[in-house]
Amino acid sequence: DAGVIQSPRHEVTEMGQEVTLRCKPISGHDYLFWYRQTMMRGLELLIYFNNNVPIDDSGMPEDRFSAKMPNASFSTLKIQPSEPRDSAVYFCASSRSKGDSGANVLTFGAGSRLTVL
Amino acid sequence: AQSVTQPDIHITVSEGASLELRCNYSYGATPYLFWYVQSPGQGLQLLLKYFSGDTLVQGIKGFEAEFKRSQSSFNLRKPSVHWSDAAEYFCAVGAPGGGNKLTFGTGTQLKVEL
Repeated sequence: DAGVIQSPRHEVTEMGQEVTLRCKPISGHDYLFWYRQTMMRGLELLIYFNNNVPIDDSGMPEDRFSAKMPNASFSTLKIQPSEPRDSAVYFCASSRSKGDSGANVLTFGAGSRLTVL
Repeated sequence: AQSVTQPDIHITVSEGASLELRCNYSYGATPYLFWYVQSPGQGLQLLLKYFSGDTLVQGIKGFEAEFKRSQSSFNLRKPSVHWSDAAEYFCAVGAPGGGNKLTFGTGTQLKVEL
């Protein structure tokens, strides 16, 4: 398996622009998570999905952030409009709830580093 | 709600020395516990996990961790550190049946002196 695939790896944009981050989870995983990592706040859970349905979005900072999962193999995290304080590394992770010892373990993508000028 | 404390922000050890990274958690029952490692510019890689059973768990790269319920701890250990172990280490806690989501500690940055 190719693992969790995120794109773009790096994004530099100007304040006010729309940013879309993409994630392809591991095939067969029924959970998908979006985390944000900053020096000040560490790793924060933004939102997670189960079977493509958002379960908990309480970590989404504000209405400028939105996430979708239109099917089991694709998710997006959108920021509109972007602000400099959104600069961070955004990680996508996936997991499966059933099966052998690999169940309930998050596998992370390589992350998308966002810089908002 | 669960929480994790990693009291050491930075640790420096000499290559070949032993290592212990501390992790304390807060949760009302026995949680799922994890250690992940992150190298610069990379995602997080699972080192080991504890769900139940034997309280001493073995992981990859020669790491082990011990779950101590009485101390609410899950410390990570390695008997002999290699220069390639320099990275950031994160402890995480999850609630059994809680939807697989994890709460992470703030991380411990490990530096290895040659």
